[in-house]
Amino acid sequence: AVQMTQSPSSLSASVGDRVTISCRASQGIRNDLAWFQQKSGKAPKLLIYAASSLPIGVPSRFSGSGSGTDFTLTISSLQPEDFATYFCLQDNIFPLTFGGGTKLEIK
Amino acid sequence: VQLVQSGAEVKKPGESLKISCKASGYRFTTHWIGWVRQMPGKGLEWMGIIYPSDGDTRYSPSFQGQVTISVDKSITTAYLQWSGLRASDTAMYYCFRRGVIEATSGTVAVDLWGQGTLVTVSS
Repeated sequence: AVQMTQSPSSLSASVGDRVTISCRASQGIRNDLAWFQQKSGKAPKLLIYAASSLPIGVPSRFSGSGSGTDFTLTISSLQPEDFATYFCLQDNIFPLTFGGGTKLEIK
Repeated sequence: VQLVQSGAEVKKPGESLKISCKASGYRFTTHWIGWVRQMPGKGLEWMGIIYPSDGDTRYSPSFQGQVTISVDKSITTAYLQWSGLRASDTAMYYCFRRGVIEATSGTVAVDLWGQGTLVTVSS
């Protein structure tokens, strides 16, 4: 199975900061990478698909980049509602696999 | 368009269980539907997925033989079942939909989630 290594596992930041979260795949997955946001006790929410595409309704401060094995989620200016846990998911080959998650906390 | 999961369950070790995920508002047979486990305070683990149209089912090696994923197309519902629960099965379980998110390009994504079903296994 493709291993997804996500970093950092936790991150403290302030409202207005720019933050970056990374995922690395153990083998090339083209651009078949999605990012999800999960708030406590809630289901995950799709933020980015195909490495860099935003679903309708996701704010433009979220962006994704990368291809092959290295991917990045960037939040350009943190808002209070962005403090949550973020997961990447490789959607290239079964079994699909998640990164370990990044907990974004208020500094 | 939604996935609605069955309610929380409390079971004893060794008991069997089948939880459900009812899909509505979209064409059920042309989207994969799968399951994810989230143990308390932990990350997301992809368990497996099924294509309702033909029943093609894929499991993560970690869950192969431990659970069974199935669907009933007549009532647009997916299931996750255990034949002998263990305390380590205590977790939140989410169903999700994976399908074409961009018709023009055929891009596929996991774009819809159920609200989760909490399963507690305790003697």
